[in-house]
Amino acid sequence: EVQLVESGGGLVKPGGSLRLSCAASGFTFSRHSMHWVRQAPEKGLEWVSSISTSGAYIYYADSVKGRFTISRDNDKSALYLQMNSLRAEDTAVYYCARLEYAAFELGGAFDNWGQGSLVTVSS
Amino acid sequence: QSALTQPASVSGSPGQSITISCTGTSSDVGGYKYVSWYKQYPGKAPKVMIYEVTNRPSGVSDRFSGSKSGNTASLTISGLQAEDEAHYYCSSYSSASTLVFGGGTKVTVL
Repeated sequence: EVQLVESGGGLVKPGGSLRLSCAASGFTFSRHSMHWVRQAPEKGLEWVSSISTSGAYIYYADSVKGRFTISRDNDKSALYLQMNSLRAEDTAVYYCARLEYAAFELGGAFDNWGQGSLVTVSS
Repeated sequence: QSALTQPASVSGSPGQSITISCTGTSSDVGGYKYVSWYKQYPGKAPKVMIYEVTNRPSGVSDRFSGSKSGNTASLTISGLQAEDEAHYYCSSYSSASTLVFGGGTKVTVL
């Protein structure tokens, strides 16, 4: 059974940093591009960042470019999101997601999602 | 990276069919086949219902179908059931090497 388990969320002050982790199991992690999607309270889904199977190709939404860094460790089957210079508008549940039916890193659909990790940015 | 446009809400009676639209541009929905649809219950993670415009993942009811015309993709739910009441989101690959979601549509079963 595919499992994605996020951790590392919490309360942080504006301008602060946080690192999210996603532990993957039940599939060959290194064969899938991985992604972060967030959802602000009572709002819709927003794509945040994606990383290719090897980590060679990385993509970011304009809203987080220059502040967030995605990375992965295929040996540990783990995905990470380093979030710096956090703002109130970054407050959201952050989901780790696996891409399936994929023609390339962004050409597919998210077939498995974690339970989400809540990040709250507030003074 | 503008969000795709979806109606805020759609409703229907049990047994009826409803269609949710998802409008983008030629740089996203209109330009690529990588349009997906997701269903989300409150407090839960999304679930993929359609990928590559028309394809249903294994296990998804054939009451769900997808289509696209120009810059607008659509999700049709036939034989509406109480369990279909949820939020639905479309997403598309964009030429800017990004992914974009729609704002979401709340489906209400009357």
